[in-house]
Amino acid sequence: GENVEQHPSTLSVQEGDSAVIKCTYSDSASNYFPWYKQELGKRPQLIIDIRSNVGEKKDQRIAVTLNKTAKHFSLHITETQPEDSAVYFCAGLAFQKLVFGTGTRLLVSP
Amino acid sequence: DTAVSQTPKYLVTQMGNDKSIKCEQNLGHDTMYWYKQDSKKFLKIMFSYNNKELIINETVPNRFSPKSPDKAHLNLHINSLELGDSAVYFCASNPGTEGAGEQYFGPGTRLTVT
Repeated sequence: GENVEQHPSTLSVQEGDSAVIKCTYSDSASNYFPWYKQELGKRPQLIIDIRSNVGEKKDQRIAVTLNKTAKHFSLHITETQPEDSAVYFCAGLAFQKLVFGTGTRLLVSP
Repeated sequence: DTAVSQTPKYLVTQMGNDKSIKCEQNLGHDTMYWYKQDSKKFLKIMFSYNNKELIINETVPNRFSPKSPDKAHLNLHINSLELGDSAVYFCASNPGTEGAGEQYFGPGTRLTVT
């Protein structure tokens, strides 16, 4: 089955810096890769997603890149703000099942 | 006009008890899920139902039994609760049948077993 690894587990940046979170997946059948943001005590919410026929997708300050050959995908957040502080999860979808990475706790200091 | 709702929000109970968590979605989605998030924040799928039919059943103890009376509701019943069942349980729904697209999560139920 699918296995998704996520790095780093924690990431501290200064406000205005960029943040990059990386994930690798194992199942070549995976064809959909979402990223979820979970604020403390809240539910996970989708922030961006990418399908396997696309290499990059951007939405304002966030972007996701996908390298199918290497089986890895990354989340890029530019001009970070304190409200970006949260736990971020990557995920891969294979055979109707979404498998989540282990999460990255992002802390943006003012 | 809550999209995915769960009750209760908090549940504190003793080992050995039986408890249920209820989930409802008013989005008209075909697929609903139960996820477990443990103390380390690992988020893992437990079950998935599509239009009342079980389609994913992960390696979950059979003390956990989901029930979907209709496609808008997915409940989770847990028998003989154990300390290790303490976690936050999230219900979610998705418009498709393949799992792609946004999964709309409920607010979560924090279960504490003492």
